Amino acid sequence: DVKVTQSSRYLVKRTGEKVFLECVQDMDHENMFWYRQDPGLGLRLIYFSYDVKMKEKGDIPEGYSVSREKKERFSLILESASTNQTSMYLCASSLSWGVDYGYTFGSGTRLTVV
Amino acid sequence: GQQLNQSPQSMFIQEGEDVSMNCTSSSIFNTWLWYKQDPGEGPVLLIALYKAGELTSNGRLTAQFGITRKDSFLNISASIPSDVGIYFCAGQLGGGSQGNLIFGKGTKLSVKP
Repeated sequence: DVKVTQSSRYLVKRTGEKVFLECVQDMDHENMFWYRQDPGLGLRLIYFSYDVKMKEKGDIPEGYSVSREKKERFSLILESASTNQTSMYLCASSLSWGVDYGYTFGSGTRLTVV
Repeated sequence: GQQLNQSPQSMFIQEGEDVSMNCTSSSIFNTWLWYKQDPGEGPVLLIALYKAGELTSNGRLTAQFGITRKDSFLNISASIPSDVGIYFCAGQLGGGSQGNLIFGKGTKLSVKP
């Protein structure tokens, strides 16, 4: 089974800090995604990547950046954390684009910015 | 971005009851997927649907790809306490970056023993 591992389950950071959320997948998937999940708003796509060093903005990229230096690792960066970035962050990967390729999600990182 | 309208937003049911939830869109989708998220975990794929009209079962779960390709429903029969969680529908429009999944906002299911 594909495993998507997010480095932290819970994080507490201070306003203004630079925050790194790490995600690693172990099955050579091409595509990787970062979502944030908030009550009543569902899953909102922040950024995605379809290849090493490639990235595309999702629906809510403001205040975030990403890095994909290696195929298995996709990092989400909060340049200057703010309280409105308190949320659950979910990483996902998929083999490629196509009707047979669902997403595999990590367990999530619950980030609190104080 | 594209929107999927998922309903109901939440459900409170008694153990043993059947559950039905659905997703609709103004766009035509090539694929419909249903995910379940257990509390404190990431979503896990339950059922994938690839053809209009397709009806697929996974144990007590049954899902259908609407004939118009603009909707899908998920039924859970004889609910049990471990069915608790958030259920998401997701649709895929096409290939390339259009193959990104679009998610509904989720249906939160609570089951009373």
